[in-house]
Amino acid sequence: GAGVSQSPSNKVTEKGKDVELRCDPISGHTALYWYRQSLGQGLEFLIYFQGNSAPDKSGLPSDRFSAERTGGSVSTLTIQRTQQEDSAVYLCASSRTSGGADTQYFGPGTRLTVL
Amino acid sequence: KQEVTQIPAALSVPEGENLVLNCSFTDSAIYNLQWFRQDPGKGLTSLLLIQSSQREQTSGRLNASLDKSSGRSTLYIAASQPGDSATYLCAALWAGNNRKLIWGLGTSLAVNP
Repeated sequence: GAGVSQSPSNKVTEKGKDVELRCDPISGHTALYWYRQSLGQGLEFLIYFQGNSAPDKSGLPSDRFSAERTGGSVSTLTIQRTQQEDSAVYLCASSRTSGGADTQYFGPGTRLTVL
Repeated sequence: KQEVTQIPAALSVPEGENLVLNCSFTDSAIYNLQWFRQDPGKGLTSLLLIQSSQREQTSGRLNASLDKSSGRSTLYIAASQPGDSATYLCAALWAGNNRKLIWGLGTSLAVNP
C-alpha cells in the first residue's frame, strides 16, 4: 500500500504569513507524529496523535503552532505568523499503534522556507 | 537529561569495507532504540528496531546491537556499497516519554566506488 505522504513538498512564504502542512498517514495507522529538522540540528519532536487526540503537545515551539487530526487519518500542522526561525523540514510519521514498539514510517517531508 | 550522541559525524570509506556506526545514550532504562537512514531530499527509512529486551537485530547486511548497561548501540554494515551512502540516525525511546523519540545528529556516510 501507499506510504506516508506529505504536501506540499516545498513551501516558500513571507514572514508573518500563515502556512498549513498536510500529512496523510498509512491507512490503518492509529498513531501520527510530527517532527522538525532544522539545518545542523537533530530531529525535534513536535506532537503526536493517538487517533484524533494529541496526548502530548509539549514539543510545539510556541502558541503559533497548532495541529489537528480528523477522522483518525489526515493531519494538518498550522504555523501562524511565520518567522524565519520556522524554516526547516517538517516530517510526519505514522505507526500502527502508539505503544512504542512499532516502527514509525516517515513521509518525505515538507521543506519550509520563510523569507 | 536523556540524550543521544552519534560518532563519527561523518565517515568516508572505500566500497567493500565493513564499518561500524556508533550511538550512545544517557539513561540505561531505554524502551527501544531504532536506526534510520535518511537520503538527501527524502524522508527517513527505518532500518532496525531493537527492543530493550533484545541484544541485536539483523537485516541483510545490517546488524544492530544494543548494550543498555554501557548505553551504547552499534550499527554494523557489511561489505559496504555506494548505495549505502546516506545519513544514518539513531533514536531512543524511554518509557514515560510519551512516545517521544530522542534523536542523535546522525552519521553522514559516503561509500566510494
